Formats: sequence, C-alpha cells, structure tokens
Amino acid sequence: KAGVTQTPRYLIKTRGQQVTLSCSPISGHRSVSWYQQTPGQGLQFLFEYFSETQRNKGNFPGRFSGRQFSNSRSEMNVSTLELGDSALYLCASSLATGGSQETQYFGPGTRLLVL
Amino acid sequence: AQSVTQLGSHVSVSEGALVLLRCNYSSSVPPYLFWYVQYPNQGLQLLLKYTTGATLVKGINGFEAEFKKSETSFHLTKPSAHMSDAAEYFCAVSDLSYGKLTFGQGTILTVHP
Repeated sequence: KAGVTQTPRYLIKTRGQQVTLSCSPISGHRSVSWYQQTPGQGLQFLFEYFSETQRNKGNFPGRFSGRQFSNSRSEMNVSTLELGDSALYLCASSLATGGSQETQYFGPGTRLLVL
Repeated sequence: AQSVTQLGSHVSVSEGALVLLRCNYSSSVPPYLFWYVQYPNQGLQLLLKYTTGATLVKGINGFEAEFKKSETSFHLTKPSAHMSDAAEYFCAVSDLSYGKLTFGQGTILTVHP
C-alpha cells in the first residue's frame, strides 16, 4: 500500500501571499490530521478532518484552514502568510473512526519557507 | 489537558550501548501513548504504541517501552544502539478528541562509533 503523500515537498512564498498544501491519505483511511513542526514550538496539532467534516481544531488563527474531499484527500490553506509560518507541515492519516487509540501514519511533510 | 515531557533534548551513546529515552506524560484519563522516530527531511514513523493490556510494548528495530502508570512514564529503550538509530524521537499522547496527538519536544539521539 502506498503511504501518505504530500505535495509539494518544498515551497517558498513571500509575506502576505497565501499557500495551499495537499495531502493524500493511505487508501482506506478516512481521517486526516495536520500538524505544524517548528524548532521553537515543536509539533503542534492544526486540525482533523473525517468524511469532509472538520471534527477537531487546534489553537491556530483563522488564517489556517483546511478541507477534505470525498476521496479523503485533504488540503490546508494558509492566507496572509507571516514569517512565523515557516515550518514543516505534516499530515497524518488513520483508519475510519479516527479514535484516539488509532495509529496515525505520517507523510514526509511540506517544508514552507516564508520570506 | 494532556502534556508530554521528554527529559533530555539530546542523548549521546556509543554504538552497542543501551539507549534510554525518557518520557513522562500528564493525562486525566487512561492514556494512549506512542513513540515516533523522525529521520532528517522525513516524516514521522511509528516505533511502538501502548493502548491497553501488556505494559511492556515491543516495537520495530529492537525498541521497546514500558508503561508505568504509577510513575506516569513511558520510557523508550533499546539494548544495543546502532549507527542507524541516530534520529529524533518523539513521545506522544493521544487526546480523547479526534485525531489529535500531543507531542513532547523531541530527543535527538546521536550514536558514536
């Protein structure tokens, strides 16, 4: 089975722009979670989607948004980029229920640099 | 709220030596605990997880961890380090809410020849 894929792998943007990142989960997985990883703050939960619905959200400003499509693929969008948004963005997928004991399988991440 | 503390941001061992990476958690409910490894420029790979049952959990690549409720700990060990074990290791606890893992700050493991 193919793993979680994320595109693009690397991205350079300037302040004020917006960006869209894509995540394709493992086949059969219906839950997709997104995380931001920075040297200062570590790994922080952004949000989780299941069956095209956001079920959970972390403490990030409204500039960070996401969506999920009927095939479980997910996108996250960051508007009005700030320098502090430079990070590795990871998505993870898990099986249907997204229950708290299920394993999350991570993609390789998208590294975003904001200049 | 749940939290995870990893003691030691950097651990250095010699090849063949014991690896011990420490993780303590805070949780108001029975936790589900995970260890992930991250190699440079890659995502996170699951090493092992504890949900219920046996408190000694065996994972991939010879790693294991023991859940100790009384100590709120979930330390990761490997009897003999290999050069390929050099990476960053993350301990995580599962929130009762959907899809959220709370991670520790990570421990960078260096293995010397």
